[in-house]
Amino acid sequence: QVQLVQSGAEVKKPGASVKVSCKTSGYTFTNSAITWVRQAPGQGPEWMGWISTSNDDTNYTQKIQGRVTMTTDTSTSTAYMELRSLTSDDTAIYYCATAATVTSPFDYWGQGTLVSVSS
Amino acid sequence: SYVLTQPPSVSVAPGRTARIACGGNNIGSESVHWYQQKPGQAPVLVIYYDSSRPSRIPERFSGSNSGNTATLTISRVEAGDEADYYCQVWDSSSDHPNWVFGGGTKLTVL
Repeated sequence: QVQLVQSGAEVKKPGASVKVSCKTSGYTFTNSAITWVRQAPGQGPEWMGWISTSNDDTNYTQKIQGRVTMTTDTSTSTAYMELRSLTSDDTAIYYCATAATVTSPFDYWGQGTLVSVSS
Repeated sequence: SYVLTQPPSVSVAPGRTARIACGGNNIGSESVHWYQQKPGQAPVLVIYYDSSRPSRIPERFSGSNSGNTATLTISRVEAGDEADYYCQVWDSSSDHPNWVFGGGTKLTVL
């Protein structure tokens, strides 16, 4: 079955960077792109961006463009999301999910990674 | 940017039908997807492209979309359906196309 397993919780100070991993299994990694979504405490989901696993094309939301980098490692079927210059507003649960294309719904989700930003 | 409006809460008795609305300007011309999120869990896709249902989702879940309102309908509601539900649309109208989520509706099973 399709599984997306994310890295563990992180605690960061303002100004630092965080890199979250998303290891996939149960399907052919390059057949589906990876999208990243975050959810602040008590809030709804917020889309962050998308990366093609076949050619590494990316599409980031304007709000965080310039601070985020999404990458993949096809040898390990793993996707990564790095967010820099963290502030308290970046405190959230970060999810990876599969999506056929940038405009496709999000089929399968990881369990989420809590990133806390505090001085 | 495109705005999706959902009622904060819907309550329904077990066995009855729950309808969760998602309002947006001419949303009937967009494709709407719905997610269920239980406390402490990741969202789960329950309806995609307005009315299609993943095979792992019970037939009790259905969707429709017309005019300015998309609707998620849950028939024969069970206690296990209690969750937050979010609608989602791809906003291609702006200079920077973007996924938009509604604010979410908390479904309470009485």
